[in-house]
Amino acid sequence: QKEVEQDPGPLSVPEGAIVSLNCTYSNSAFQYFMWYRQYSRKGPELLMYTYSSGNKEDGRFTAQVDKSSKYISLFIRDSQPSDSATYLCAMSVGVLKLSFGAGTTVTVRA
Amino acid sequence: KAGVTQTPRYLIKTRGQQVTLSCSPISGHRSVSWYQQTPGQGLQFLFEYFSETQRNKGNFPGRFSGRQFSNSRSEMNVSTLELGDSALYLCASSLVAPGTHYEQYFGPGTRLTVT
Repeated sequence: QKEVEQDPGPLSVPEGAIVSLNCTYSNSAFQYFMWYRQYSRKGPELLMYTYSSGNKEDGRFTAQVDKSSKYISLFIRDSQPSDSATYLCAMSVGVLKLSFGAGTTVTVRA
Repeated sequence: KAGVTQTPRYLIKTRGQQVTLSCSPISGHRSVSWYQQTPGQGLQFLFEYFSETQRNKGNFPGRFSGRQFSNSRSEMNVSTLELGDSALYLCASSLVAPGTHYEQYFGPGTRLTVT
């Protein structure tokens, strides 16, 4: 069993819809949680970062962490075709060594 | 501020050869990490360097090595290349300062193809 599980999708939604992505993890030592976006043939781009349970908002993006359930989510409101990418969750126990999910490929249809 | 830069961007090598990849972190960032990304295994951590010292290491064979220079630039080396080493190699830099946590900023990667 992998430390971090993420449904690879693909996920296809119409423009303006809410995109919901999630990851589960097994290592209770994970303290820091990140979401990255990766466009084709590019490096991952840091979208959201959090280290506590609860919600964190940044524009159209909301990251949610539930440490008791070992579950994290990313919501994208009012999705745009430019949001079409692979979204990766990543976690750390507190050192600069990230454990990544497999990534979910999202397509937003115009 | 310039982002993380990696050279070369693309590389084709033959089995048994060795290869060196280079990474320049964001100005002021002192930590550099390396990751391997493949379709089958996803993103996997190779190693992390801070102040020219390897602090963390992933589960890769000894053929994979790295180093960091005093200006924080880093190189990774893969010796005796195997077909399975074909991957996107990503470098990430981190600030490592009071008030920051563990955010890592990635470069565009080096696409290595082993034939």
